[in-house]
This record gives sequence, structure tokens and C-alpha cells, in this order.
Amino acid sequence: QVQLVQSGAEVKKPGASVKVSCKASGYTFTSYDINWVRQATGQGLEWMGWMNPNSGNTGYAQKFQGRVTMTRNTSISTAYMELSSLRSEDTAVYYCARSTCGGDCYSFDYWGQGTLVTVSS
Amino acid sequence: QSALTQPASVSGSPGQSITISCTGTSSDVGGYNYVSWYQQHPGKAPKLMIYEVSNRPSGVPDRFSGSKSGNTASLTISGLQAEDEADYYCSSYTSSSTLYYVFGTGTKVTVL
Repeated sequence: QVQLVQSGAEVKKPGASVKVSCKASGYTFTSYDINWVRQATGQGLEWMGWMNPNSGNTGYAQKFQGRVTMTRNTSISTAYMELSSLRSEDTAVYYCARSTCGGDCYSFDYWGQGTLVTVSS
Repeated sequence: QSALTQPASVSGSPGQSITISCTGTSSDVGGYNYVSWYQQHPGKAPKLMIYEVSNRPSGVPDRFSGSKSGNTASLTISGLQAEDEADYYCSSYTSSSTLYYVFGTGTKVTVL
């Protein structure tokens, strides 16, 4: 069965960076894009960007350009999202999510369990 | 690019039907058949309920249906059940220069 398992909660100081991992299993990792979505407490969902695990190509929401980097290690079927220059407004649960198909799909059928990132001095 | 607009809350009694609207623009909802709907229970990850406007993934009950007219998409839940109480988010591909994908503001569904 398809699973996305994320790394554990993080507490970071303002200005620091955080790197969240997302380990995929139950399917061919390189066949489906991985997206990252975040949700502040009590707030809605916010799309951050996508990565093609096969090519390594990425696309980021302009809001995060210059601060976010999405990478992967295909040998261990794991995707990563690193966010730098953290501020208090980045406190949120971060989710990885798989695109529904291997082509032009704009929906996400499997999600990780979420990783809480807390930014506090 | 602003989030797609949804009503903050919708409620209904068990067995009734409810509809949640999702209003965007011609650059997103109105321009593409890439509208999706997600259900999220408290403390849980979102779950895909509808993709490409009206398609249901396997395992999603046929009580859930989606449609679109112009710049507004809709999710209808027929035969409302207690377990349908959750937050619902629409989403769409967007041709905005600032991002590829936009979510709605979210709707809290309450089963009375």
C-alpha cells in the first residue's frame, strides 16, 4: 500500500533552517510528483511547491522562492523540503503529498502524516 | 493570487444534502477542469474526495459529487452522515505567474 512517512516535529529559532523528509513506499517513487503543502494552526492549506523525483525538476510558489528547496534521494525513495530564514509565521504543519498521476495531474491522492515545525525564540 | 472563496460553514441534518461552493476566476476554476476537493478531519491529513471536477477516487462514497459552472465549482454531499463532519477544501490549477496550485479558504461542515 502507498505510504508517505514524514520526519518528526521540529523546534527552530528565527533565522534558522529546517529540513523535513518524506519517505515513500508501496509505489515507484520516481513515477509521481511530490508536492509540499503547509497549514498553520486553525488556518487553511497553502501549496508551497512540487518536485519531479525522476528529473529533480522543481516549481515553487513565488511566496517561497529563494527560501525553499525541494530535493530527493531516489536510492531511499525520500523527498526533502528545506525552508530557510524561518520566522514565526512559518510555524505550521508541513505535509508532503503525491500527485494523482504521473502526467498533468493537479490533485494529490496520498499524503504524509504531517510534520509540525515550530519557530520560536 | 488569492485563495479560492468558500463559505466558512455549512450545516445539515443526517440524510439531507448540502452543497459547498468554491469561487475562483477564469485563471483557475473557470479556465481548467482541474478542480479537486479534500476532506480533513481534526488533526488528520487531508483526503482526496473529488478530482478533475467530478471524478471520485476509488473508495470514496458516491454520496460525494462535484460539478462546475463558470468560475464556481461545487461539492455536494447527499445523504449526509455524522462522519462527514469535517473541513472541506477545494483546489485548482492556476495559470497565475506566482504559483501553480491554489486552495480554497475552507468550509466547516457540521452535521446537526
